[in-house]
Amino acid sequence: EPEVTQTPSHQVTQMGQEVILRCVPISNHLYFYWYRQILGQKVEFLVSFYNNEISEKSEIFDDQFSVERPDGSNFTLKIRSTKLEDSAMYFCASSELAATDTQYFGPGTRLTVL
Amino acid sequence: GESVGLHLPTLSVQEGDNSIINCAYSNSASDYFIWYKQESGKGPQFIIDIRSNMDKRQGQRVTVLLNKTVKHLSLQIAATQPGDSAVYFCAETGNTDKLIFGTGTRLQVFP
Repeated sequence: EPEVTQTPSHQVTQMGQEVILRCVPISNHLYFYWYRQILGQKVEFLVSFYNNEISEKSEIFDDQFSVERPDGSNFTLKIRSTKLEDSAMYFCASSELAATDTQYFGPGTRLTVL
Repeated sequence: GESVGLHLPTLSVQEGDNSIINCAYSNSASDYFIWYKQESGKGPQFIIDIRSNMDKRQGQRVTVLLNKTVKHLSLQIAATQPGDSAVYFCAETGNTDKLIFGTGTRLQVFP
């Protein structure tokens, strides 16, 4: 069964450093998403991406964040200058035809900012 | 405003019993609802979904009920097994890309 994959599983970084989180969505899916989950809290939407551009973003997704689809398979989330409060699990998701199709989630990347 | 909430933070059931997890939503424009299961250290796993033109949908051992009148969603798990132990989230979306997740209910299954 096809699944969303994410790398790395755990990323530790120093405050102020740049990180890039990587995702490979399900191959025939057209919509891609990033969500985050701070420890013990609910999953929060960050951004959606379709047709090589952001289609929606939340107030969390400020100028420090960017997304890119550098090739036909990868989807990345970059945090330019990490803050302590960026420590969280980051989940990538994808859906086939529309945002109101089922969104399938990857296993997540745990980001720890020291 | 938009909000999705869960009535109970923790539900403990005996193996073999049925479980019912509840969720309230406030956005009457939402038309698609999903239940996800999240095991420790893993991503949300799709369980079952329902659209607003239905009030009940069944899967394997799971049933989702939607009551649009009172904006209430429930997940029923039949013959609960130890492997069902996890946090369960309801999520909703309307004419938007994002899923809005509830706070989660932890299901604990005892032998």
